Amino acid sequence: EPEVTQTPSHQVTQMGQEVILRCVPISNHLYFYWYRQILGQKVEFLVSFYNNEISEKSEIFDDQFSVERPDGSNFTLKIRSTKLEDSAMYFCASNEEGVFGQGTRLTVV
Amino acid sequence: ILNVEQSPQSLHVQEGDSTNFTCSFPSSNFYALHWYRWETAKSPEALFVMTLNGDEKKKGRISATLNTKEGYSYLYIKGSQPEDSATYLCAFRSGSARQLTFGSGTQLTVLP
Repeated sequence: EPEVTQTPSHQVTQMGQEVILRCVPISNHLYFYWYRQILGQKVEFLVSFYNNEISEKSEIFDDQFSVERPDGSNFTLKIRSTKLEDSAMYFCASNEEGVFGQGTRLTVV
Repeated sequence: ILNVEQSPQSLHVQEGDSTNFTCSFPSSNFYALHWYRWETAKSPEALFVMTLNGDEKKKGRISATLNTKEGYSYLYIKGSQPEDSATYLCAFRSGSARQLTFGSGTQLTVLP
């Protein structure tokens, strides 16, 4: 069964550093999403991506965040200057059926 | 802001018991309701995508119903097994956006 894969599974970073979270979505899917879950809170939508551009984004997705699909397969989420409150599980998802990757746990220290 | 609520927050049942949980969502501008099963350190596993009022879907011992007019969905597990222990998430999609709005989940523990 096709899968969405994410790397790394865990990332620890210093506050203020940049991180890039990577996702390989299912190859024939067209829409890609990033969600996050801060510990103890609901899963929150960050951004959707279609046809190599942002389709929709939430209030959380400010200038600190960016997404791109650099090589037609990988789908990345960049956080430019991480803050403590960015610590969360970040999920990539593919298409409206909502096939999720296993997540990247980001810890900002 | 869309409000998606799940109850109960957590649930402990004995092996063999049947159980159910609730997801409530906005009754207007409905497009789809998703149910996921999420085990720690794994990706959320899609159980059902429900789109039609009155829909009832079944996967093994798990089934779900949908009432879009009143804005709720029930997930049923018949004869719970320890391997059913997980967090069950529902997620609402409106007709005007593609992203999902999640409930907070119901954490199910099935005791042997």
